Amino acid sequence: NAGVMQNPRHLVRRRGQEARLRCSPMKGHSHVYWYRQLPEEGLKFMVYLQKENIIDESGMPKERFSAEFPKEGPSILRIQQVVRGDSAAYFCASSGAAESLGWDTQYFGPGTRLTVL
Amino acid sequence: DQQVKQNSPSLSVQEGRISILNCDYTNSMFDYFLWYKKYPAEGPTFLISISSIKDKNEDGRFTVFLNKSAKHLSLHIVPSQPGDSAVYFCAGIMIYNQGGKLIFGQGTELSVKP
Repeated sequence: NAGVMQNPRHLVRRRGQEARLRCSPMKGHSHVYWYRQLPEEGLKFMVYLQKENIIDESGMPKERFSAEFPKEGPSILRIQQVVRGDSAAYFCASSGAAESLGWDTQYFGPGTRLTVL
Repeated sequence: DQQVKQNSPSLSVQEGRISILNCDYTNSMFDYFLWYKKYPAEGPTFLISISSIKDKNEDGRFTVFLNKSAKHLSLHIVPSQPGDSAVYFCAGIMIYNQGGKLIFGQGTELSVKP
């Protein structure tokens, strides 16, 4: 069973360009989460999605950032008009829905390291 | 507002000894607490979790203790091995829609010396 896949692993963009980060959840998982780790900081929640629905986007910056998890295909985190402060490691996690517990552990992908020049 | 805190940025332990990593929280509404291990340039790896209604959970060399009155949890690793050297994050989660956002501490870097 393949784990959470993220691509690209490294992404370099110039200021003002767009960045698209992709995440394929583990097989059978219907919940996707995005987290960001800025240099020298811990991981911060950004957004929680289920298929075609945004459940919680309380951690997303108000502008330039958007996320989707379509019915088919990977989840996409999109950053428009990137700035140097967007340079960070972006991690995706996925979980299923364990009926007995009512929730499932989140499993993380390897991350995408975004560098904005 | 830092809901989960790991006050020790680093810890050094001798191989074979016990490693104790600590975590404090302020939010009494967390349903579960989790520990993750992270190597450089990799994603976090899940280690162990504990329900907020329990006070101990054990899995092999890893044991997590929860003290709700003190709002404190700790991860014990016995015996410590050099491969355990990594950054350890504790996290709390409130469950909604069968999921929920993880609130992480800042991490503690563990170094296990041979």
